[in-house]
Amino acid sequence: DQQVKQNSPSLSVQEGRISILNCDYTNSMFDYFLWYKKYPAEGPTFLISISSIKDKNEDGRFTVFLNKSAKHLSLHIVPSQPGDSAVYFCAASPISSSGTYKYIFGTGTRLKVLA
Amino acid sequence: DAGVTQSPTHLIKTRGQHVTLRCSPISGHKSVSWYQQVLGQGPQFIFQYYEKEERGRGNFPDRFSARQFPNYSSELNVNALLLGDSALYLCASSLLGTNEKLFFGSGTQLSVL
Repeated sequence: DQQVKQNSPSLSVQEGRISILNCDYTNSMFDYFLWYKKYPAEGPTFLISISSIKDKNEDGRFTVFLNKSAKHLSLHIVPSQPGDSAVYFCAASPISSSGTYKYIFGTGTRLKVLA
Repeated sequence: DAGVTQSPTHLIKTRGQHVTLRCSPISGHKSVSWYQQVLGQGPQFIFQYYEKEERGRGNFPDRFSARQFPNYSSELNVNALLLGDSALYLCASSLLGTNEKLFFGSGTQLSVL
């Protein structure tokens, strides 16, 4: 049961253009979302997060949008740079009543930015 | 400041053996979580520890166990290794162990032959 889905395994974008990575989730109890970038042979690196009380969060070239009614979030990268080429994971965490805070990750989208 | 450090970086074991993976969190972080990443998939939650107590456990068999030490470092142990345990094992630390960003180490690549 895949609660967090990234339906596009790969995406290619020209340098300088916008990259849009999408993520869908099924659990309405998710209340905190993060995006991570992963290079080969490295651990995931945190990019940006958003709480369910917001619908947008910006940090430099990265913006995350959350549409709670559609259970959809997206990551926008503007402008895209060749160094952005990596695998991007979205992750979600449900409201915890037990004290456990665990993240459920999507399967990732491989972004390639073409020079 | 040092990030999350994991050792060893690579490990090759045979079926039935036991393995211990180690993790040192970022200084000041009190929570450590372990994730397993199989090729082509996203990381999957195994354990969370906070202040040396187990906070939660994912859908993994009892062959998997972990602990957190007084200095907040952590070990993940896997007994009776199976071929399917081959994966990248990631350790992540966070300050308070609540809904906050996780800082990941580079992982331990385990191959079971």
